[in-house]
Amino acid sequence: DVKVTQSSRYLVKRTGEKVFLECVQDMDHENMFWYRQDPGLGLRLIYFSYDVKMKEKGDIPEGYSVSREKKERFSLILESASTNQTSMYLCASSLYRIPGGTEAFFGQGTRLTVV
Amino acid sequence: GENVEQHPSTLSVQEGDSAVIKCTYSDSASNYFPWYKQELGKRPQLIIDIRSNVGEKKDQRIAVTLNKTAKHFSLHITETQPEDSAVYFCAASMPSGGYNKLIFGAGTRLAVHP
Repeated sequence: DVKVTQSSRYLVKRTGEKVFLECVQDMDHENMFWYRQDPGLGLRLIYFSYDVKMKEKGDIPEGYSVSREKKERFSLILESASTNQTSMYLCASSLYRIPGGTEAFFGQGTRLTVV
Repeated sequence: GENVEQHPSTLSVQEGDSAVIKCTYSDSASNYFPWYKQELGKRPQLIIDIRSNVGEKKDQRIAVTLNKTAKHFSLHITETQPEDSAVYFCAASMPSGGYNKLIFGAGTRLAVHP
């Protein structure tokens, strides 16, 4: 079974804090993704990475950065948290080798509240 | 820009009826179309997927159809059961610079009433 694990299930942070969300996968997947889930908006792609130290912006990268120093770990960073970043954050991973994409496996999600 | 549109946003059916959810995508180079089910408080999980070289795929009570010319694909659930109640997301894998990014629709909340 693929395991994608996010470091926290719930987080409460103050406005202006630097926030780190961690994600680890154990299946040697090359692709890793960070999504934000809000009611009525679905899953919106923030950033993704297709290799170590490689990253690409998704649809809503503003206010976020990412780090992928090791293949199994993909971190999402909120440089200066704001209340409009209160949301559910989902990490996912997938194999890259098959052209066109493959099943993405999701972590359990981190519900972040910024106060 | 690249996007995936999903309709309807909510769907209510009686147990035993069929449910259909439709999606359209913008990038004609997309070639992988998965569907995910998310139960309340749980992570999204893949229920079925289809690649662009196939027009239809079926797995027991669920089926997906793809029309590449029209750039739309649909999920069909037959003989719905209360445990089918969940949020369903369609997605399209969009090639970009040698890699793929997975773009999701906004989701459909399906309620199956006994």
